[in-house]
Amino acid sequence: DTGVSQDPRHKITKRGQNVTFRCDPISEHNRLYWYRQTLGQGPEFLTYFQNEAQLEKSRLLSDRFSAERPKGSFSTLEIQRTEQGDSAMYLCASSPGGDGDTQYFGPGTRLTVL
Amino acid sequence: AQSVAQPEDQVNVAEGNPLTVKCTYSVSGNPYLFWYVQYPNRGLQFLLKYITGDNLVKGSYGFEAEFNKSQTSFHLKKPSALVSDSALYFCAFGMDTGRRALTFGSGTRLQVQP
Repeated sequence: DTGVSQDPRHKITKRGQNVTFRCDPISEHNRLYWYRQTLGQGPEFLTYFQNEAQLEKSRLLSDRFSAERPKGSFSTLEIQRTEQGDSAMYLCASSPGGDGDTQYFGPGTRLTVL
Repeated sequence: AQSVAQPEDQVNVAEGNPLTVKCTYSVSGNPYLFWYVQYPNRGLQFLLKYITGDNLVKGSYGFEAEFNKSQTSFHLKKPSALVSDSALYFCAFGMDTGRRALTFGSGTRLQVQP
């Protein structure tokens, strides 16, 4: 069990650029989640996958955001035309399935939009 | 709106003393309740959860929490604090109605003084 990994750990970009983050969940976890955390706040849910199907999307996930999990393993989160308000820590989590299952979080990708 | 509240932004305690970090929830139905800890520039680490059954839940690193349905609380406790417990603590809830997202509180910073 190697844990949830995320890449890159840090990303600095200029406003208007596109960025893509990757998340590798714990192997055999069929559920994968993306959250966003801004300074001084708790994480806010963005989206959830069960295998390759995206089953939940938050209203926070504007049309500039897209997430995929093409083969039910790793996932990518893309932000198009980044804005300064997108600056945050983007957290990925995975869980094995079942009611009340525990979500295990990765180290996060810190995005800074200049 | 369903929510979880952490009424204290910061809790200060001396090493060796008992600690309590408070969490209350406002949720209809049967929530699952979680505690996570976050160290600087790190993702969230799972501490413990309440699903059903015994109201006293024991978790990692000597932490425990008591589910109190009448007071809608899920306070985190430890009998003897360590300096290394200093971190940011988040309470969160999930639901048994199929929605998989966790909703987090705003966090409580625990400072343990030597």
